[in-house]
Amino acid sequence: QSVLAQPPSASGTPGQRVTISCSGSSSNVGTYTVNWYQQFPGTAPNLLIYNNNKRPSGVPDRFSGSKSGASASLAISGLQSEDEADYYCAAWDGSLNGLVFGGGTNLTVL
Amino acid sequence: EVQLVESGGVGVQPGGSLRVSCAASGFTFAEYNMHWVRQLPGKGLEWVSVISWDGGGTYYADSVKGRFTVSRDNNRNSLYLQMNSLRTEDSALYYCARGARYYDILTGPEDWGQGTLVTVSS
Repeated sequence: QSVLAQPPSASGTPGQRVTISCSGSSSNVGTYTVNWYQQFPGTAPNLLIYNNNKRPSGVPDRFSGSKSGASASLAISGLQSEDEADYYCAAWDGSLNGLVFGGGTNLTVL
Repeated sequence: EVQLVESGGVGVQPGGSLRVSCAASGFTFAEYNMHWVRQLPGKGLEWVSVISWDGGGTYYADSVKGRFTVSRDNNRNSLYLQMNSLRTEDSALYYCARGARYYDILTGPEDWGQGTLVTVSS
C-alpha cells in the first residue's frame, strides 16, 4: 500500500492519448512538487517529468505532467510501442519526512 | 555526462552489516543532494535516504531508520550507505541517485545509477 496511489496498469493503442493518475494528500502531492519516472525492465528509472510539469532535455513533448490539489497526472499523447514501461510518481511527504513513490503503473501498448 | 556507479552489493546473513558505495562523476558532486532508492525484484521503488549537499542534513525511511546511515565524502565524490542489522526484507537492488542542488532537498532524484544488488539470506 503505497502512500501515493497509482493504477497498477494502463493501456492504449498506438497514437492514442493515455493518462496515469497519482493520488496523494495534503502532506505530499498537495504541498510538494511531483516527479514522474519511466522504467524499462532491467534498467534504472529515468526522470520523465520534474517539478510537476517540466520535461528534462531529451524527453519528447508527447509526455506532459499536471497537478491539481493533491492529485497529479502524467499524460502521454501519440502513444508509441516504445512507451511500454513502468511509470512511477514521487513527491516529498512532510508528515513522514521522506520521499514517497507511487506503486507504479505498467503501461501496455496494444 | 552524469555517471553514478554503485558497488559493494553482496550476499550477507540476517543481522549482518554491509556498506555500499556510489562513485559520482560528470558533475560537481559537492553541490547536489544525493538519494538512495531500492527496488525488490519485480516490485516498485522504495526511497531509502537522502543526504544534503554538504552532509549536514539526512532523512531516512521509517523502515531503515536506526539501522542505516548515509554519508558522503565530497573530496572523493563518493556516497555511502552503511547498513546494519540487515533483514531479509532489505534484499533489493540499491540505486544511488542525484537529487537537486543545494537547499532544494525536498524533491525527487533526477539521475540514477544502475544499482548494486544486496541479498540478505541465511
